[in-house]
Amino acid sequence: EIVLTQSPGTLSLSPGERATLSCRASQSVGKNYIAWYQQKPGQAPRLLIHTASSRATGIPDRFSGSGSGTDFTLTIARLEPEDVAVYYCQQFITPPYSFGGGTRVEIK
Amino acid sequence: QEQLMQSGAEVKKPGASVRLSCTISGFSFTSYPLHWMRQAPGQRPEWVGLIVPANGETGYSRSLQGRATITRDTPATTAFLELRGLTSEDTAIYFCARWFGAADLWGPGTPVIVSS
Repeated sequence: EIVLTQSPGTLSLSPGERATLSCRASQSVGKNYIAWYQQKPGQAPRLLIHTASSRATGIPDRFSGSGSGTDFTLTIARLEPEDVAVYYCQQFITPPYSFGGGTRVEIK
Repeated sequence: QEQLMQSGAEVKKPGASVRLSCTISGFSFTSYPLHWMRQAPGQRPEWVGLIVPANGETGYSRSLQGRATITRDTPATTAFLELRGLTSEDTAIYFCARWFGAADLWGPGTPVIVSS
């Protein structure tokens, strides 16, 4: 099973700052078999990025994804209050399609 | 409007079975795989399995040790997840999701509580 490790565990930033979230895989997931989700309390996860770098429908362009192989990054260019949430990465190159442990983003 | 609707909360005793449903609307049932995920309180989501409604092909996480079965009723545009031999570790919210490049559309989730 591929293990995904996300860092940092918690990110506390001021509005307008840049947030950089990391997702590292225990083995290669290829060029783009990674997705990123945002989850707010009491809600289902919401797809932000698919195939490592493609924004899902309706996602603001301040969200971007990059990376390949074992190292992937989600960047929120200018943090807004509504971005407070937990962010998860998921690999889908090999079942089980595992998730990372999440990064909690807070506003200072 | 594209959406997935899930059945209501379940409370079960250890050793029992549960059958959850996921009914889609607003898009073609046979055009996309449907995945099931679960999320225990305060934990990361866990992938459970999938079904390809067009042909009934399924795949499962080995962590469930053969206790899960995913089926579908195509005329009813509904997928089902049955989980047998429940233990307290199966307590979680169970989500179904459409797969198009990733899990791009999620149901609201069904809480399942396993308690004696």
